[in-house]
Amino acid sequence: DSGVTQTPKHLITATGQRVTLRCSPRSGDLSVYWYQQSLDQGLQFLIQYYNGEERAKGNILERFSAQQFPDLHSELNLSSLELGDSALYFCASSVGASGRALEETQYFGPGTRLLVL
Amino acid sequence: DQQVKQNSPSLSVQEGRISILNCDYTNSMFDYFLWYKKYPAEGPTFLISISSIKDKNEDGRFTVFLNKSAKHLSLHIVPSQPGDSAVYFCAATYTGTASKLTFGTGTRLQVTL
Repeated sequence: DSGVTQTPKHLITATGQRVTLRCSPRSGDLSVYWYQQSLDQGLQFLIQYYNGEERAKGNILERFSAQQFPDLHSELNLSSLELGDSALYFCASSVGASGRALEETQYFGPGTRLLVL
Repeated sequence: DQQVKQNSPSLSVQEGRISILNCDYTNSMFDYFLWYKKYPAEGPTFLISISSIKDKNEDGRFTVFLNKSAKHLSLHIVPSQPGDSAVYFCAATYTGTASKLTFGTGTRLQVTL
């Protein structure tokens, strides 16, 4: 158990809909990262938040947005869903955002499996 | 553009033998490399890492080798155990990217009895 929790575990929805994925980081971790893993693909970095502020952005679609709340949990909002958005969405957390990877081991949650029909 | 590549989607090894998983990268700015292990229905778990100032890092049965000139790294597992059966992801990052990890597509290792 990494200490990172994600809800829900599974989500089935229809095209055009909007969903919210939730992540609670490990106790004491200030950074939260979101990744998308599509079928037979590696994990693609979407976005990082550090202590409530956006820190880094990857290939995140404009239909997707995220935020980190004062209690440090994070939500990833996916809107106008398309079939191609079906994927595993992982959240990870680390202690801080020093930029020194040696100090920033990321711990992953179990993921949310999204199926868009 | 796949900056981190794992060209072998799967690998089967007998218990007790050595498992060698390979990873190639194209971005010469990468200076820190990691291996993650993933079981079904779980998130990836950090396994071992190596900085670009080293060419080898060892942790128990797991050793990672880095060849910067070839932009290649490998993970050796000796001896392989059935519990090692999982998907292994290679990842890379570089200083100043706030730890944004670039992952390969993974290699599924099966350790047979």
